[in-house]
Amino acid sequence: GAVVSQHPSWVICKSGTSVKIECRSLDFQATTMFWYRQFPKQSLMLMATSNEGSKATYEQGVEKDKFLINHASLTLSTLTVTSAHPEDSSFYICSARDMLYEQYFGPGTRLTVT
Amino acid sequence: QKEVEQNSGPLSVPEGAIASLNCTYSDRGSQSFFWYRQYSGKSPELIMFIYSNGDKEDGRFTAQLNKASQYVSLLIRDSQPSDSATYLCAARMDSSYKLIFGSGTRLLVRP
Repeated sequence: GAVVSQHPSWVICKSGTSVKIECRSLDFQATTMFWYRQFPKQSLMLMATSNEGSKATYEQGVEKDKFLINHASLTLSTLTVTSAHPEDSSFYICSARDMLYEQYFGPGTRLTVT
Repeated sequence: QKEVEQNSGPLSVPEGAIASLNCTYSDRGSQSFFWYRQYSGKSPELIMFIYSNGDKEDGRFTAQLNKASQYVSLLIRDSQPSDSATYLCAARMDSSYKLIFGSGTRLLVRP
């Protein structure tokens, strides 16, 4: 089956630093990847849609200069949280869409900003 | 505002009973609907999807869709304690392939 990985699975960083999260489709090519954020006891909120080789499309209210997304290949997208603050602490989940337009979720990355 | 609404629960059922989870959506342009199960601290896993009116069965799970009423449901037969999780309903407009998630319903299956 289609497998999506994320790295790291959890990360702790200090306020003001930047953190990069990788999302990889392991056994299929993903022209589109999606990045979600989930706060405790809340649902997944779509942050941005990432298409290979083009700029990401951000949802309303998501700061594109703070959450940098790069989709450089058909199997890799990265999310960089710049100048992280404690309120950025959350569970970040990516999903990748295969050629049949089904989405597969990665295991998520838990970010804690101290 | 495209919205997907779910009762947050918790919905508590005894082991072996049928659990019924409901979801409504506001955007009539939504064409496909998905049910995900999410355990605490984990990412969602797909249970079923449905895009035609009526019922769709897969093992112990049955998804139901009524586009006229903008209503989607998930029935879990013979509920097991391992089914205890949060169930997320999601709607997708096939023109964009974006998923809009509901807030989830927490299901507790009592042994």
